[in-house]
Amino acid sequence: EVKLVESGGGLVQPGRSLKLSCAASGFSFNDYWMGWVRQAPGKGLEWIGEINQDSSTINYTPSLKDKFTISRDNAQNTLYLQMSKLGSEDTAIYYCARGDYYPDYWGQGVMVTVSS
Amino acid sequence: DIQVTQSPSSLLASLGERVTITCQTSQSISNNLNWYQQKPGQAPMLLIYYATSLQTGMPSRFSGQYSGRSFTLTITSLEPEDIANYFCLQHYSAPWTFGGGTKLELK
Repeated sequence: EVKLVESGGGLVQPGRSLKLSCAASGFSFNDYWMGWVRQAPGKGLEWIGEINQDSSTINYTPSLKDKFTISRDNAQNTLYLQMSKLGSEDTAIYYCARGDYYPDYWGQGVMVTVSS
Repeated sequence: DIQVTQSPSSLLASLGERVTITCQTSQSISNNLNWYQQKPGQAPMLLIYYATSLQTGMPSRFSGQYSGRSFTLTITSLEPEDIANYFCLQHYSAPWTFGGGTKLELK
């Protein structure tokens, strides 16, 4: 069974950084592209970016490119999202997703709240 | 970016009713659109991929069609377990973009 479990969320002060993790199991992690999506309260889903199997290609939605960094550790079957200079607009549920051409499996998401 | 307009944003329907949800894209994306179902507190689940293909394990009462830039998700006969949020995703070009979602509730 494919399983994706996000962690690392919580309350963070504006301007600080936070790193999310996504633990993958039930499939060969290093065979797939992986990505991150978020959903702010009351808003639609927003694709953050994706990373290929060997981390040689990482794509971001342009508006988030300078703030977020996606990485992965294939030995640990884990995907990461490093977020910096967080603001209230980054308050959202963050989902990791598996997918080469589109996301086929998603995690349940982790909440990040940016507030003083 | 490709804009995806989903309608309706909310929908009240009765059990056994036929339900249709639509996504319209701002430019042609061929069949590069998926539909997902999400229940509260759960991970989104892939329902339909490449506009018309039913994901393995999903009930056959779900179907997808498209014509040009207009895509539809149909539930032929609403079951209680279908009460959920539904959204579409275009994966024709980066950045992927999503419809605004449809909240399906029981009448």
